[in-house]
Parts: sequence; structure tokens; C-alpha cells
Amino acid sequence: DIQMTQSPSTLSSSVGDSVTITCRASRNITTSLAWYQQRPGKAPKLLIYKASRLESGVPSRFSGSGSGTEFSLTISSLHPDDCATYYCQHYTSYAWYTFGQGTKLEIK
Amino acid sequence: EVQLVESGGGLVQPGRSLRLSCAGSGFTFEDYAMHWVRQVPGKGLEWVSGINWNSGTTAYADSVKGRFTISRDNSKHSLYLQMNSLRADDTALYYCAKSPSVSVTNSYLDYWGQGTLVTVSS
Repeated sequence: DIQMTQSPSTLSSSVGDSVTITCRASRNITTSLAWYQQRPGKAPKLLIYKASRLESGVPSRFSGSGSGTEFSLTISSLHPDDCATYYCQHYTSYAWYTFGQGTKLEIK
Repeated sequence: EVQLVESGGGLVQPGRSLRLSCAGSGFTFEDYAMHWVRQVPGKGLEWVSGINWNSGTTAYADSVKGRFTISRDNSKHSLYLQMNSLRADDTALYYCAKSPSVSVTNSYLDYWGQGTLVTVSS
């Protein structure tokens, strides 16, 4: 199995700030990584796939980077509705899917 | 607009069975792999099972292997999860999710339903 470890677990920031969430894979997953946003009481929503490709309709304030075992999601110019939990997920062909434990973002 | 609507959740006793359904619309259902993902309320996401476009390949998490069976009926645009020998730790919100690929492997999940809650308790 591949373990996905996110940091931090919780994050608090202000409207207009930028934040970065990190995701580390226990093995090389090249760029087979997705990021999801889950607002309270809602289903997850795809933000980023292939580590850095923005899903259609997602604001350009969201960006992803990384390859191999280290990845990051950056949200610039925070909006109040960015308050959510963010999950990374690997989808390599040689191991079944696992998600990170989630990063809860609070907006002050 | 892509829509995935789950149903079939509820309260069930340990050891009993339950069948979840997911109805897809707004896309060509038979062209895509489909998955089930679950979430214990207040906790993280756990991938449960996936099936490729023509039911030729299925996959399961170790935690459900041998107890759960995924299937699909493309003529009805529907995905199913037969859950047998249910345990208390199967209690979760079960999401149906679509892949942008025909294959069950090597793909992310681009659309999710709103979930159906399964509670396993005596």
C-alpha cells in the first residue's frame, strides 16, 4: 500500500492570504496525484489532477505542484468559501487508491 | 450536468446485508469506470471499490474484500454495492464517484454524489 501524509492537519488563515498544504507519498507516484475540496456537509469536489492540472471551472487561485513523493496545493488570495477540508489522493496503476488524512482550513 | 444519486442506505444489524445503488445521469454512463468511497462522519475518505466500464475488472479495498461486491448495469445507468456480513466499522457515508477513464486503475474521481448513510448497529 501507499501511504499519503498531509500537513498540516489544520490551518487557520485570513481572507486574502495564501496558504500551502503539503502531501507526501510513501513511494514514488510520479504525478498521479489529485486534490479535492470538501466543504462542510458536502461531497468532495475535484480541484487538481495529475499533480498540477486545474479541473475545469476551478478558480486559478488554486494551484498544485510536485512529483515523485512530495506535492503541494497552494490557495492564493483566500476567499471565505475556501473554508473546507482538503484531501490529496494517489491513483497510480500499481496500488489501490488512498487518500491523505485531510487538512482542515479555517478562515479567520 | 453530471448527476450521481445514491440510495439504499439505512440502519442494519451486524452480520446482515445491504445493497446500495447509484443512478448516473448527464453523461454516457457506459463509457466510464465508477467507484465507491466511504467516509465515517467527521473522519477522512476511504476508497472502497471500483469497476471498469464493462464490468470486466473490479477492485476492492482489503477492508471489504470478500464481503462487498460491486456491479453495474449500463442499460440502467446504475452502479451497485452489495454489502454482506456488515460490521460496526462499516458505518459510514457511502459516495458514488465517477472516473474520467474507462479503466478502474490509474484515474482520479471527477464527480461525486451526495452520499447515502449506512449505519451498522444492533
